Amino acid sequence: DVKVTQSSRYLVKRTGEKVFLECVQDMDHENMFWYRQDPGLGLRLIYFSYDVKMKEKGDIPEGYSVSREKKERFSLILESASTNQTSMYLCASSKGLAGYNEQFFGPGTRLTVL
Amino acid sequence: KNQVEQSPQSLIILEGKNCTLQCNYTVSPFSNLRWYKQDTGRGPVSLTIMTFSENTKSNGRYTATLDADTKQSSLHITASQLSDSASYICVVSASNDYKLSFGAGTTVTVRA
Repeated sequence: DVKVTQSSRYLVKRTGEKVFLECVQDMDHENMFWYRQDPGLGLRLIYFSYDVKMKEKGDIPEGYSVSREKKERFSLILESASTNQTSMYLCASSKGLAGYNEQFFGPGTRLTVL
Repeated sequence: KNQVEQSPQSLIILEGKNCTLQCNYTVSPFSNLRWYKQDTGRGPVSLTIMTFSENTKSNGRYTATLDADTKQSSLHITASQLSDSASYICVVSASNDYKLSFGAGTTVTVRA
């Protein structure tokens, strides 16, 4: 059974803190994605990675960075958390990059920045 | 700009009743359309995928339709169950872009 796991379900941080969100997939997928999900908005792509150490900016990369040192692990980093980064963060992975490849999602991390 | 609009934003139905969710998109050139189900506190899970040539696809009590000419899709839930309470997200893929276009979702609440 395919599985994407995220390190925390809920996280509360203070403004200015450095925040790490971890994602691990066990499907040997090449591609991994980080999205944020806000009420009334569709999922928005922050960053994605198509191989180890390779990354590309998505639609809203400002204030975020990523790291992919191993194929199965993709980390999202908030260098200096701000209140407007309070959101649900979803990680996903897929075998191929073309749109017909299903993206498999993790359970999400609900981050609150105070 | 590629966009996906879903309606209604939310709906409440009684257990056993049917409902239909709508998705309109402007994504071009069109590749495929997926419906995802997202339970509260969980990540989205794919229900169906439809390509240009398909106009109906079923997955148990879920039936998706696609009209590629009018750029509309619907998801019909038959004989709803309490476990159908979730957010349903329409996701459209363009053939010239790896990025997906996500609708904001329709929240369905099934009441006993």
